[in-house]
Formats: sequence, structure tokens, C-alpha cells
Amino acid sequence: GQQLNQSPQSMFIQEGEDVSMNCTSSSIFNTWLWYKQDPGEGPVLLIALYKAGELTSNGRLTAQFGITRKDSFLNISASIPSDVGIYFCAGPRDSGYALNFGKGTSLLVTP
Amino acid sequence: DGGITQSPKYLFRKEGQNVTLSCEQNLNHDAMYWYRQDPGQGLRLIYYSQIVNDFQKGDIAEGYSVSREKKESFPLTVTSAQKNPTAFYLCASSKGYNSPLHFGNGTRLTVT
Repeated sequence: GQQLNQSPQSMFIQEGEDVSMNCTSSSIFNTWLWYKQDPGEGPVLLIALYKAGELTSNGRLTAQFGITRKDSFLNISASIPSDVGIYFCAGPRDSGYALNFGKGTSLLVTP
Repeated sequence: DGGITQSPKYLFRKEGQNVTLSCEQNLNHDAMYWYRQDPGQGLRLIYYSQIVNDFQKGDIAEGYSVSREKKESFPLTVTSAQKNPTAFYLCASSKGYNSPLHFGNGTRLTVT
């Protein structure tokens, strides 16, 4: 199946800093998704990208679908303590159902 | 409010016992999924179901079984054949083909 490599594995930043993380795939995707998971909860969809080159924002979050269709980026501007959690990238499996997930980027924000 | 309900939140079992995790959705979604999450491992697909009375194995189906008798429900049974069942289990649903998944809040299973 497709391999999703997500980096960095973890980030420890101060409140107010900007954050950038990325995800690369071993194969081409037609959809990229970004999720956030709070401790002890299920992942929540943040942003969905459906077109190569697409740049989409959701509040302080901005995600881009790479031109090669093998990568995607998520940026968080002016981080706040509630941004703490694990961020996952995901792409569709060959069947078109279910998703493959990266291993996640764990974000810690200090006040 | 529409959503996905997983119960219970925490589950404890003795080794050698089968256990069934519940997942119910009222989103009228056709497809449902089970993932397993271990620390630092991301989410791994156990089983998924595109429609009622149909399901497919994911990447780590061994030691698990599912059924899909109703559109709203997709229970997962962790059998005694699963070598390392202690994990966080996540259920999800989606409208169908190439649609984002929506997750429940998980069941943490501990087997001793």
C-alpha cells in the first residue's frame, strides 16, 4: 500500500510561533486530508484538498496540495495552547474507500 | 446531533476472552471503518464496509471479525487469536467513495 511519511515527528514550540509540517507519499494521490487528534479523542478533519496546487485555509490553518501530487503541507500561524495534539495527513487507499495515514506530528505549545 | 458513538470508552478483558466493541452512526453514511492506533504508529486499518452485508479486510485483520447487518452499526470483535489486542480502537464512517472519514472518540481496550 501507499507509504505516507510525515515530518517532523514532534514539535515543541512557544505560543505565537508559526508551525509547518509536511507529508510525502510513495504514490500519487488525488486527495489529501489533514486531521487533528486531541488526547483520548478521535481525529477530526481539518482540511481536505482535492486538486494539485490547491491552497486551502481554515482559520489559522493553511494546507497545500503539492504540484507533484505526492506531497502536502500544513501550516499553523500564531499557535495557541489549544493547538496541542497530533496532526495526521491521510490519503485514499487504492479502493477509494478508507484512508492511509501518516504516523503523525505531535505538537506541544508552551504559553 | 449526528455523529459516531463508540462504547464503552474503556474496556478491560482477560487474555483468552473475546470482546466486542460497539460502533453506531446516525450520519446516514454508507461506509464504515475500524482502525487501530498504537503509540507512534499512526492509524492502521483493520476492516471496512462499503455497504450493508459487505466488508473487506484491511492491513491488520488477523484476530478480528466484523459484521454489518445494519447501516448504522459496525461492531468489531477482538478474538483470542489477536496476539496483542491492547490498543486504542477507532471507528469511522464516510458517505462513500473518496469521501472524508468522520471518527468516533474511540475505545481503549486493555487485555491482561
